[in-house]
Amino acid sequence: EAQVTQNPRYLITVTGKKLTVTCSQNMNHEYMSWYRQDPGLGLRQIYYSMNVEVTDKGDVPEGYKVSRKEKRNFPLILESPSPNQTSLYFCASRYGLAGWDEQFFGPGTRLTVL
Amino acid sequence: RKEVEQDPGPFNVPEGATVAFNCTYSNSASQSFFWYRQDCRKEPKLLMSVYSSGNEDGRFTAQLNRASQYISLLIRDSKLSDSATYLCVAAGGATNKLIFGTGTLLAVQP
Repeated sequence: EAQVTQNPRYLITVTGKKLTVTCSQNMNHEYMSWYRQDPGLGLRQIYYSMNVEVTDKGDVPEGYKVSRKEKRNFPLILESPSPNQTSLYFCASRYGLAGWDEQFFGPGTRLTVL
Repeated sequence: RKEVEQDPGPFNVPEGATVAFNCTYSNSASQSFFWYRQDCRKEPKLLMSVYSSGNEDGRFTAQLNRASQYISLLIRDSKLSDSATYLCVAAGGATNKLIFGTGTLLAVQP
């Protein structure tokens, strides 16, 4: 089944404790991205990657890192989480950069930073 | 001003009603447009793309007015299962980055 998977789905952590949210897709998609979704603000792009070893900042990259060592994986790293990073996070992928390529989302990771 | 603006709702409608959602986008260079559906606490899923000529998929009709930078979604004969948040999306730029509206909540009542 074609899908985007994320782990963990739920995470409660404390300020400053490094964490990684994994993302994997099995559709051989080139383009992957991370979003956060907050009430009243909608989905905002954190980082994106156009291919292996090619990553770039989105609209809200501060406090996050990513890597793309393999085509299928695109982990999101929070080196020192803070309470303002409490949010619902979605990983997404699409085949390429064409305007009509459908974007597929993972099931989401609900993160709470205390 | 948000790049993509939608009425947040909620829209409370009875089963069988016709409901219309509107959306405006500010970047005239946007090239592609979509409606995504998001169920509570779940991931967004593509409902339909929006073409300049307008397009229909069953009970759903999407329209684009480039001159007014306006997108619409019409749902006919609403079902209980249509209850969800509908996200308006505009894409453009070198990477066709998707810009999402904050969503319109639809609640279809029995």
